[in-house]
Amino acid sequence: GAVVSQHPSRVICKSGTSVKIECRSLDFQATTMFWYRQFPKQSLMLMATSNEGSKATYEQGVEKDKFLINHASLTLSTLTVTSAHPEDSSFYICSADPRGKRGSYNEQFFGPGTRLTVL
Amino acid sequence: EDQVTQSPEALRLQEGESSSLNCSYTVSGLRGLFWYRQDPGKGPEFLFTLYSAGEEKEKERLKATLTKKESFLHITAPKPEDSATYLCAALSEAGNNRKLIWGLGTSLAVNP
Repeated sequence: GAVVSQHPSRVICKSGTSVKIECRSLDFQATTMFWYRQFPKQSLMLMATSNEGSKATYEQGVEKDKFLINHASLTLSTLTVTSAHPEDSSFYICSADPRGKRGSYNEQFFGPGTRLTVL
Repeated sequence: EDQVTQSPEALRLQEGESSSLNCSYTVSGLRGLFWYRQDPGKGPEFLFTLYSAGEEKEKERLKATLTKKESFLHITAPKPEDSATYLCAALSEAGNNRKLIWGLGTSLAVNP
């Protein structure tokens, strides 16, 4: 149980294009999902908290107009990197808490990640 | 300031050589301490949650323990397949604000 999937696993795009990454909870409902970014040999950096049916909460320094988050259902959250540039190249990982109520969470279960390369 | 520090940064063991990884934390209102395993190019895999000092949890060759200042991940008789980066994270709560604070991880390599 508590399986989270991400799609695509890897994407290469040209500078200036937009890329959408999907995060799905496969066997549970998640009112809250989280989006992280990870650079090589570094730990996870929380970008935003995605709440079903409401606006995402972004961490300080993360541009909400650049990283659009939509959590339209209890099993799906999407992250769209708009007008991507080479500096946006990174490993993006989502997670969800299978037992948390809105605004609270226990252990998170992670997706397999999406490797974004912007040329 | 809330902080989680993991040591060592990297550890190389021979197969069967037991050791421990450390996760020291200073957080406001600890609500949980989490251990994850991460393989290269993959998302973290949940291992354990510890909620209070003195608590211990085991899974196969791994045992996690918690004190008021730190957590240890003990690896008994490791195998090459235990090679991975081990991450710990502390859930901090101050008022209505909850935050998960991540350590930088310990990269473990187990040689056959």
